[in-house]
Amino acid sequence: DAKTTQPTSMDCAEGRAANLPCNHSTISGNEYVYWYRQIHSQGPQYIIHGLKNNETNEMASLIITEDRKSSTLILPHATLRDTAVYYCIVRGSNTGANSKLTFGKGITLSVRP
Amino acid sequence: GAVVSQHPSWVICKSGTSVKIECRSLDFQATTMFWYRQFPKQSLMLMATSNEGSKATYEQGVEKDKFLINHASLTLSTLTVTSAHPEDSSFYICSSAGTLPGNTIYFGEGSWLTVV
Repeated sequence: DAKTTQPTSMDCAEGRAANLPCNHSTISGNEYVYWYRQIHSQGPQYIIHGLKNNETNEMASLIITEDRKSSTLILPHATLRDTAVYYCIVRGSNTGANSKLTFGKGITLSVRP
Repeated sequence: GAVVSQHPSWVICKSGTSVKIECRSLDFQATTMFWYRQFPKQSLMLMATSNEGSKATYEQGVEKDKFLINHASLTLSTLTVTSAHPEDSSFYICSSAGTLPGNTIYFGEGSWLTVV
């Protein structure tokens, strides 16, 4: 079962920041927060992940609350190509089969012109 | 560039025949690969975990004799859908990660299977 909850959908205007929330209140100390997105008819694309600290890469920023019970993915300047389903996933640091990803329903982000 | 590659991207087969889908890790050795299935407008559902050199581990409700998984090398896992039926038509996706703890899991491009 997915250990995260996300809104079903949201939209934002092109060029504006998109802030995608995620709740993971049962996260344990050694579990990471991962974000993937899936554009229609493609395999999921890795975006970013974090443990405790905020993270930033060329695609997005990840803000994790101090208690680690929630996080926000930020796309700083959304484009039409960012329209996709975004999945927030909690994953342990173990290797092998214990490192599997369990997908919830994700949040559908629609970027409007 | 892609670090996990799937082939074929799409395939059409007749009912009763078998079809094989390949998943390759391109930049790293993968002792574990994961196979997912996704029906339209639904999320990804894990089917099985493929372990190099040993038997795959199947999720509850997934028939191991129907979905044969072979992970003969550290860079290749295959999924064979045997005696395919129209209800097996779906988007099949593989993923893999390196051997170090916490390594990021990357996904293949996916394979569309249509059984007619």
